[in-house]
Amino acid sequence: DTAVSQTPKYLVTQMGNDKSIKCEQNLGHDTMYWYKQDSKKFLKIMFSYNNKELIINETVPNRFSPKSPDKAHLNLHINSLELGDSAVYFCASSQGRPRVYEQYFGPGTRLTVT
Amino acid sequence: RKEVEQDPGPFNVPEGATVAFNCTYSNSASQSFFWYRQDCRKEPKLLMSVYSSGNEDGRFTAQLNRASQYISLLIRDSKLSDSATYLCVVNAIKAAGNKLTFGGGTRVLVKP
Repeated sequence: DTAVSQTPKYLVTQMGNDKSIKCEQNLGHDTMYWYKQDSKKFLKIMFSYNNKELIINETVPNRFSPKSPDKAHLNLHINSLELGDSAVYFCASSQGRPRVYEQYFGPGTRLTVT
Repeated sequence: RKEVEQDPGPFNVPEGATVAFNCTYSNSASQSFFWYRQDCRKEPKLLMSVYSSGNEDGRFTAQLNRASQYISLLIRDSKLSDSATYLCVVNAIKAAGNKLTFGGGTRVLVKP
């Protein structure tokens, strides 16, 4: 009965490759997010979707493209991977009203680009 | 200046002791404040919200000082299981949607 799940948990790939990370939530939430946590442990928001609509798009290279086929899923596709993309990527979800701040995070995907 | 700043620690705390640490934020328009907890190699989880009047949840007390733009977390009677990184989180409501800004975290190590 996992609330927010991500696949894969670990991803090791070479520079220049294209990869995808999948996220699913079974909490019935209407808002989903992608965060990046770098080696210094700072957690930064990348994207936010509300009911499949992109509402937050931080300054992220356009090599990163989120896709939300429905409000329970938010995938992240990364083109032409670079060394600096190595990080832990967390998916999260929340209910838009009123507890938007109570975000539930997935277990993270540890991406290593070699 | 970072939007949310925290002392990274680690704070080495004897079991049973009290530990407190602060977090400062730069955006005076920030409206909501929270503490999240992140265990090593795990995902962040909401610990508690921070209210203007200060609030307590068991051994944890959170306070907000809007004038000086900081929030604090105090842990009483520390347990070994309190060892974690505590993330200060600030919410600024924008037209585009709510955005949480996370601090870099304060690491707490409780030792026997």
